[in-house]
Amino acid sequence: AQTVTQSQPEMSVQEAETVTLSCTYDTSESDYYLFWYKQPPSRQMILVIRQEAYKQQNATENRFSVNFQKAAKSFSLKISDSQLGDAAMYFCAYRYRGGSNYQLIWGAGTKLIIKP
Amino acid sequence: DVKVTQSSRYLVKRTGEKVFLECVQDMDHENMFWYRQDPGLGLRLIYFSYDVKMKEKGDIPEGYSVSREKKERFSLILESASTNQTSMYLCASSLRGFSTDTQYFGPGTRLTVL
Repeated sequence: AQTVTQSQPEMSVQEAETVTLSCTYDTSESDYYLFWYKQPPSRQMILVIRQEAYKQQNATENRFSVNFQKAAKSFSLKISDSQLGDAAMYFCAYRYRGGSNYQLIWGAGTKLIIKP
Repeated sequence: DVKVTQSSRYLVKRTGEKVFLECVQDMDHENMFWYRQDPGLGLRLIYFSYDVKMKEKGDIPEGYSVSREKKERFSLILESASTNQTSMYLCASSLRGFSTDTQYFGPGTRLTVL
């Protein structure tokens, strides 16, 4: 069975600095998607970034980038120039690309605190 | 703009009551999902639906049922609420298809069962 592990329940970073959130996963499949979602306090969960496993290039969205290490089954999120609005719960998620099951497998989440 | 709405942000019910949580999306998405979110456990899928009147059990369907009579609406039903169903409930929707499966979430309903 696939699993997703986020080993850091909470992280803090000074505003304007860089922080990396860790995620590891376990799967026997070779074709899948990985996601980072953000859930700000009392606000809706939104997609931050996604990575297709067949792509070697790491995905980037403005200040957010990933370090995808397929052999190590690692998918970390780097946030550069942290801003107060980045404070949120961050969830890593996995989905197998094949079949008709659209289920995401979720990590437990990392709470990111931004210090002004 | 993509929109998923849930009928209530906060709900307080008594043990044994029948509870309806409703979710509506305006994006013409085929897939809809109900999750339960508890601290330290992430999101756990209760049920999902890939079409009208179609449903599949997720990881924790016990004590819940769902209804999808219209494409835009997906209801979660707690037949007889219990205190261990106190939680945050999130609804999500997505387009069918491998390359367009970003899930869009509603604001959540925080349910307390007394």
